[in-house]
Order: sequence, then structure tokens, then C-alpha cells
Amino acid sequence: DVKVTQSSRYLVKRTGEKVFLECVQDMDHENMFWYRQDPGLGLRLIYFSYDVKMKEKGDIPEGYSVSREKKERFSLILESASTNQTSMYLCASSFSGGDTGELFFGEGSRLTVL
Amino acid sequence: GNSVTQMEGPVTLSEEAFLTINCTYTATGYPSLFWYVQYPGEGLQLLLKATKADDKGSNKGFEATYRKETTSFHLEKGSVQVSDSAVYFCALSEFGGYQKVTFGTGTKLQVIP
Repeated sequence: DVKVTQSSRYLVKRTGEKVFLECVQDMDHENMFWYRQDPGLGLRLIYFSYDVKMKEKGDIPEGYSVSREKKERFSLILESASTNQTSMYLCASSFSGGDTGELFFGEGSRLTVL
Repeated sequence: GNSVTQMEGPVTLSEEAFLTINCTYTATGYPSLFWYVQYPGEGLQLLLKATKADDKGSNKGFEATYRKETTSFHLEKGSVQVSDSAVYFCALSEFGGYQKVTFGTGTKLQVIP
């Protein structure tokens, strides 16, 4: 069964801490994405990557960075966490050759920043 | 830019009731349209899709028809079950667009026995 695995389901961090959220996919997909999900706002794209070491800003990149050193792994980094980054973070991947809209999601990482 | 508008929830239905969740979109080209579902405590998963006008996507008793003339992709099910309780997201992907999917805000469905 294909899988997108996010390293942590629940995290609690303090303001100013550096936070790493990791995502691994086993489908050999070229594209990987990080979204945040907030009530009433749906899913908003933070960053995406279409190849190793490549990254593109999404709609809300401020306060975030990403890293993609290997094809299967895409990390989201909060350099200095703030309370307004408390949210559900969803990683997704897709295959370049197929329909670009069909995304495969991980189970999500719920981050609370105190 | 592209946008997706779906009806606000929550929607509460009794088991075996008929479900409609409205979705309309704005796009500059010829998008593919999707419904994703998120069960409690899980990530999103694709429910159904349609890639061109008049296509009907279907899965697990759910259906949606791509209506270009009304720019709509309404989700329907004839008889809902308690297990259908989830959040449903309408989404579009622009044909030829660069790997970007635009989501609606989601509609929470609660089915009561």
C-alpha cells in the first residue's frame, strides 16, 4: 500500500523554538507539498518541490523553509516558532506524469506553539 | 486566480438521507476537478475526480458531474451512512498548471443514526 508518512502526529513547542516536520513517501513521486489546515480556511499551500533540491513558494511561505535532499523526503522547518503557527500540517505527494491534481496525503502533524 | 467555493457546514443528516454538497469554481483554463474526504484523525484521500466537461466521477456511492456551463461540481449521495461522517473538500487542478491544487474550505458532514 502506498504511503506518505509524517514523522510526528502531535508536537508541542515553545515560542522561538526551531521545529522540524518530516515527511517521507514511498511512491517515487517527483512532487511533494506542505499545506497547513485551519478551520474555516481550508488547506493553504506553504511550499512545494518538484525535484530534489528544488523548492517553490506557495501561498503562505512566510515563517517557513523547506529542504529536499532526497527524492522521498521533504522537510518543513519553522526557524522560530510563533503561536500563530499553531495548526495542522499536511504533507502530500504526486506523480509528475499523471494527473497533477491527484495528491496523496500523510495523516497530518498537529503542532501547538505555546 | 483560481478559486473554489463550497457550501459552509456543518451539514447534519439522518442515516439514509440524500446528500448534496455544493461546489463552484473559478478557473482561467480547463481544470480537473476533485473531491477529497478527510475522516476524523486522518489525512485527506481522493474520493472522486473528473477531468473534462460532462464527466461524472463516482466512488463509494458518491457522484459528482463536471458542469462547465455552471462551473460546478456538486457532490451527491443517495443514502448516507454514519461512516460517511467526515470533512469533504472540493478542489481543482488547472490543466497544464504547475502542480498546484486549489482547495475549497471544506464541508463537515455529520450523519446521525
